Amino acid sequence: EIVMTQSPATLSVSPGERATLSCRASQSVSRNLAWYQQKPGQAPRLLIYGAFTRAPGVPARFSGGGSGTEFTLTIGSLQSEDFAIYYCQQYNNWPPSTFGQGTKLEIK
Amino acid sequence: QVQLLQSGPEMKKPGASVKVSCKASGYTITSFGITWVRQAPGQGPEWMAWISPYNGNTNYSQNFQGRVTVTTDTSTSTVFLELRNLRSDDTAIYYCAGGIRYFEVWGTGSTVTVSS
Repeated sequence: EIVMTQSPATLSVSPGERATLSCRASQSVSRNLAWYQQKPGQAPRLLIYGAFTRAPGVPARFSGGGSGTEFTLTIGSLQSEDFAIYYCQQYNNWPPSTFGQGTKLEIK
Repeated sequence: QVQLLQSGPEMKKPGASVKVSCKASGYTITSFGITWVRQAPGQGPEWMAWISPYNGNTNYSQNFQGRVTVTTDTSTSTVFLELRNLRSDDTAIYYCAGGIRYFEVWGTGSTVTVSS
């Protein structure tokens, strides 16, 4: 089973600034990686798949990058609604698909 | 509009079984697979199982050691997850999600609490 490690666990950023979240896979997952946003009491929301393709309706300030074992999610000019928990998920080696433990993005 | 409506909260004792349902609307349920994912309090999501309502094919995570079964009733557009021999660490929100690899559509979530 591939282990997904996200860093940092918590990221404090001011509104209007840029945030960069990291995700590392224990072995290569090519570009078979997705990012999700989750707010309290809600199901995860798909943001990015294929490492860099935005899901329908996702604002352009969200961008994904990386391949192999190292991935990033960048959120440019943070809006108030962006403060949430973010998870990465690999689906290259399936089953099972595996998720990271999340990065909490909080207001500085 | 594609929606996945799940059954309500459940409280169970250790050793019991639970069956959670996920009813699809807004599309033909045989169009794509359904994955079950659970999320324990304060934890990341955990992939559990997948089913193709089209042909009944399934895949399960070895992490559940044969305790889980997923089924489909195409006549009611509903997918079911059964988890047996419940333990306290099975306390979680159980989600169904549309898709096989990544998930654009998620269910409403079903809270399962296991406590003596």
